Amino acid sequence: GQNIDQPTEMTATEGAIVQINCTYQTSGFNGLFWYQQHAGEAPTFLSYNVLDGLEEKGRFSSFLSRSKGYSYLLLKELQMKDSASYLCAVREGFYGGATNKLIFGTGTLLAVQP
Amino acid sequence: GAVVSQHPSWVICKSGTSVKIECRSLDFQATTMFWYRQFPKQSLMLMATSNEGSKATYEQGVEKDKFLINHASLTLSTLTVTSAHPEDSSFYICSATKRGGLSYNEQFFGPGTRLTVL
Repeated sequence: GQNIDQPTEMTATEGAIVQINCTYQTSGFNGLFWYQQHAGEAPTFLSYNVLDGLEEKGRFSSFLSRSKGYSYLLLKELQMKDSASYLCAVREGFYGGATNKLIFGTGTLLAVQP
Repeated sequence: GAVVSQHPSWVICKSGTSVKIECRSLDFQATTMFWYRQFPKQSLMLMATSNEGSKATYEQGVEKDKFLINHASLTLSTLTVTSAHPEDSSFYICSATKRGGLSYNEQFFGPGTRLTVL
């Protein structure tokens, strides 16, 4: 089966660092994406990992361990505008070729407090 | 950039009527378009994958006769919710992947359409 788990909600303080975890069990794997979604809006792309390790992009970093089926999104120097849902999504890759279909996790609602 | 638009942004309709939602890639040709549904406080659930000029591939549990998808060109896909009922009320979001895009081939999302069925 397919299962992508994230914590439902998290709270952090402005200026701090927060780590949002994602664990996955999917029938195939061809990359993991993180998206940010503000309420009532479309998701926006944050990061992509396909190999193990850390990808850094400004205040945002994402880590992947394929053997553990685990990823995290790290947000540094938190700002109030970072309050949003963060979605982990796995792209499935099937033997003989990859599809571009994304399986989304449940999403983590992050609240940044002053 | 890679901009995806949806129209309308919101719609209210009576039970039993049909509603059409358009998804357009404004500044690129989309190899594939995806339709998602999102209920309040839940994540995105993929409904179907659509390639230009071919039939859409529906996810398990999604009725293809109820959710009609037409992908007439490389920049336009439409989703028609036929005989809508209150339980179809949801946030419908489309996305598109770019022909000749970056190697990781991210999906670009539209702003979504909020459907309310009375």
